[in-house]
Amino acid sequence: DIQMTQSPSSLSASVGDRVTITCRASQGIRNDLGWYQQKPGKAPKRLIYAASTLQSGVPSRFSGSGSETEFTLTINSLQPEDFATYFCLQHNTYPYTFGQGTKLEI
Amino acid sequence: EVQLVEAGGGVVQPGGSLRLSCAASGFSIDDYVLHWVRQVPGKGLEWVSLINWDGDNTNYADSVKGRFTISRDKRRNSMFLQMNTLRSEDSGVYYCARAVGNLYSLDYWGQGALVTVSS
Repeated sequence: DIQMTQSPSSLSASVGDRVTITCRASQGIRNDLGWYQQKPGKAPKRLIYAASTLQSGVPSRFSGSGSETEFTLTINSLQPEDFATYFCLQHNTYPYTFGQGTKLEI
Repeated sequence: EVQLVEAGGGVVQPGGSLRLSCAASGFSIDDYVLHWVRQVPGKGLEWVSLINWDGDNTNYADSVKGRFTISRDKRRNSMFLQMNTLRSEDSGVYYCARAVGNLYSLDYWGQGALVTVSS
């Protein structure tokens, strides 16, 4: 199975900050990676697909980059509604595998 | 509006069975590959199973193979997960999600159904 190592596991930030979250794949996955936001009791929401394509309706302060084994999610100018948990998902090979998640806190 | 709504979660004893359902609205399941993903507190997310457009192709995580069965009902626009011989490690929140094709990203997810396996 492809291992996805996500860091950091938690992150403290303030409104207006810029934050970066990283996912590393144990082998090359081209750009077959998505980033998701999850709030307690809610369905995960896709933010980025194909590593760097912004999902329709998602604010442009979210961006993704990377390919093969290293990927980043950047959030510019944090807003109060951005405090949530973020995770990556590789869909290059079955079984799909996930990063461990990053809890973004104030 | 695309919606996926899971149902059927609950508390079951080890060795027992449970059947989850996932009702889709706002789209036809005929056009999508459907997945089950579970989230165990403290252990993160784990992909569980998928079923393709016509139900001919299914795939399972090794951890559930031989115990879980995925199916879909075109008329009800729904997907199901029959879970047998449940273990404590099967406890968690089960999400259904869709993808436009095989080995594609999961674009919409449901809110999840809680399964607790405990004596």
